[in-house]
Amino acid sequence: AQRVTQPEKLLSVFKGAPVELKCNYSYSGSPELFWYVQYSRQRLQLLLRHISRESIKGFTADLNKGETSFHLKKPFAQEEDSAMYYCALGRGGSARQLTFGSGTQLTVLP
Amino acid sequence: NAGVTQTPKFQVLKTGQSMTLQCAQDMNHNSMYWYRQDPGMGLRLIYYSASEGTTDKGEVPNGYNVSRLNKREFSLRLESAAPSQTSVYFCASRVGQGYSGANVLTFGAGSRLTVL
Repeated sequence: AQRVTQPEKLLSVFKGAPVELKCNYSYSGSPELFWYVQYSRQRLQLLLRHISRESIKGFTADLNKGETSFHLKKPFAQEEDSAMYYCALGRGGSARQLTFGSGTQLTVLP
Repeated sequence: NAGVTQTPKFQVLKTGQSMTLQCAQDMNHNSMYWYRQDPGMGLRLIYYSASEGTTDKGEVPNGYNVSRLNKREFSLRLESAAPSQTSVYFCASRVGQGYSGANVLTFGAGSRLTVL
């Protein structure tokens, strides 16, 4: 069975500090990993996905198959980064559904 | 371009009452999903429809039924609401064809349901 673990329910950092949101997964096949974000009073939306290897709003995430992790990082947090972040796992190929982690509420303090 | 539209946004029910959450998408997506969001538990899949005419159970289907009315619409019905079904419900859709962007979901704004 596939599972996504986000060990931190709440995370607070000061503006300008580095931030890392942890995500670990368990899946025996070839995974597809995503980070979704939900800003206050906004819809859940895709932040980034591992196959794109892109940086969005200064965030990056690298898939580490050896450690089965997909941690989200940003070197200098901004107050507008405060949001709920969800890590999600999809099976590769003809996947039909995503499994979400329990989410991490990030608060960036001034 | 509305994307994914859910109605109602808020609803209060008494235990035992029934109701239907409506979802419609205008992006010509093939697959549609219903998730519930609970504090500390993230999003859990209730039901999904990989394509028009098909529906499948997700992680937490008990107490719910769904209908894929056509390609645009996917409704979620609570036949006899229970307090445990108090939650925020999200509808989502995806293209569902090909690999590129295959698992990128577009979400609705959510429906907050309270069962007393």
